[in-house]
Amino acid sequence: DVKVTQSSRYLVKRTGEKVFLECVQDMDHENMFWYRQDPGLGLRLIYFSYDVKMKEKGDIPEGYSVSREKKERFSLILESASTNQTSMYLCASSFGISTEAFFGQGTRLTVV
Amino acid sequence: QKEVEQDPGPLSVPEGAIVSLNCTYSNSAFQYFMWYRQYSRKGPELLMYTYSSGNKEDGRFTAQVDKSSKYISLFIRDSQPSDSATYLCAMTPMNYGGSQGNLIFGKGTKLSVKP
Repeated sequence: DVKVTQSSRYLVKRTGEKVFLECVQDMDHENMFWYRQDPGLGLRLIYFSYDVKMKEKGDIPEGYSVSREKKERFSLILESASTNQTSMYLCASSFGISTEAFFGQGTRLTVV
Repeated sequence: QKEVEQDPGPLSVPEGAIVSLNCTYSNSAFQYFMWYRQYSRKGPELLMYTYSSGNKEDGRFTAQVDKSSKYISLFIRDSQPSDSATYLCAMTPMNYGGSQGNLIFGKGTKLSVKP
């Protein structure tokens, strides 16, 4: 079974802090994604990566950056956390030809 | 017009009912269609995956795609309380992959199955 693991289930951070969310997948998938999910807004793509060291902006990249130094690991960085970044963050991965995306369990981030 | 439209519900049905969940879309390039189930405070899990038009059945679940109408459905037979979750549709064009990889999701329909 594909496994996508996010480093934390729940996080509470202060405004202005730099926040790192880590994601690891164990199926040698090429593509990795970071989404945020908010009530009424659905899933919104922040960034995705289709190869090591490659990244592309999604729909809402402002205030975020990403890092992919190894194929299995994709990190989301909140440079200076703000209260409007309080959300559920979901990491996903997929293989290039097989298009299904597999999700991690999510990280519920609260910025106070 | 949004690319993918999905009625957010909530939808409440009695145990044993047949449930119909639907999405419409506007991009005729979409070829791959997926349904995800998401329990409260968990990540979405892939439920069904279909390519192009037609039906696909897996146990109590049937996914249906009508490309001519740009309409997809998920049917749940003999619904159970354990089916209570949010169901998200997702789709992608045939050239998905590499730098163009991007699933388009509906906003999800919240389903509650009452015992």
